[in-house]
Amino acid sequence: SQQGEEDPQALSIQEGENATMNCSYKTSINNLQWYRQNSGRGLVHLILIRSNEREKHSGRLRVTLDTSKKSSSLLITASRAADTASYFCATVLNSGYSTLTFGKGTMLLVSP
Amino acid sequence: DVKVTQSSRYLVKRTGEKVFLECVQDMDHENMFWYRQDPGLGLRLIYFSYDVKMKEKGDIPEGYSVSREKKERFSLILESASTNQTSMYLCASSRGGGEGNTEAFFGQGTRLTVV
Repeated sequence: SQQGEEDPQALSIQEGENATMNCSYKTSINNLQWYRQNSGRGLVHLILIRSNEREKHSGRLRVTLDTSKKSSSLLITASRAADTASYFCATVLNSGYSTLTFGKGTMLLVSP
Repeated sequence: DVKVTQSSRYLVKRTGEKVFLECVQDMDHENMFWYRQDPGLGLRLIYFSYDVKMKEKGDIPEGYSVSREKKERFSLILESASTNQTSMYLCASSRGGGEGNTEAFFGQGTRLTVV
């Protein structure tokens, strides 16, 4: 079952602009993670935010989590052409095994 | 540098063939996963394993089986390949137990085409 859903499906911006992607999920989570995938490659972990955290930063990345709305956002500031990729949110539930359930992703295109 | 290695980047197999996709990790991780990725559907979990010889079904296990005889190796088996199993297959691993130990490391993917 698909837990996370990203929005928008695709985003096209210019270099230097900020990119914001959103993720909504359905059930109570232990943590939420964001991954990046370059075309035709495996996924790379970007950042993890736990259910008791509201905001987290890593370099040009800022992630927020609102558990009352069951939503998260990923902000990439001052984007670069090299940020062009697909971005996925993934949730780990509170119960059961530590499996990651992924959304369908947001395709980000950053033009020079 | 941590590594998850999948045996093939590209694979072409015939309908009805038995197909083995191999994945090896060098991080001594307890958990290993197989996902398939299709356009418009995102990543879907096929099977996972939380220990040697242990396996659990994911969301779409039909037509697949797995084997984990050693901690570092997790194999995905297509018993009789069909064209609807044409997809990108992604292997991942993560440390088991405890909060925060769920960051997953992915292999480079195997693009399987069944003809």
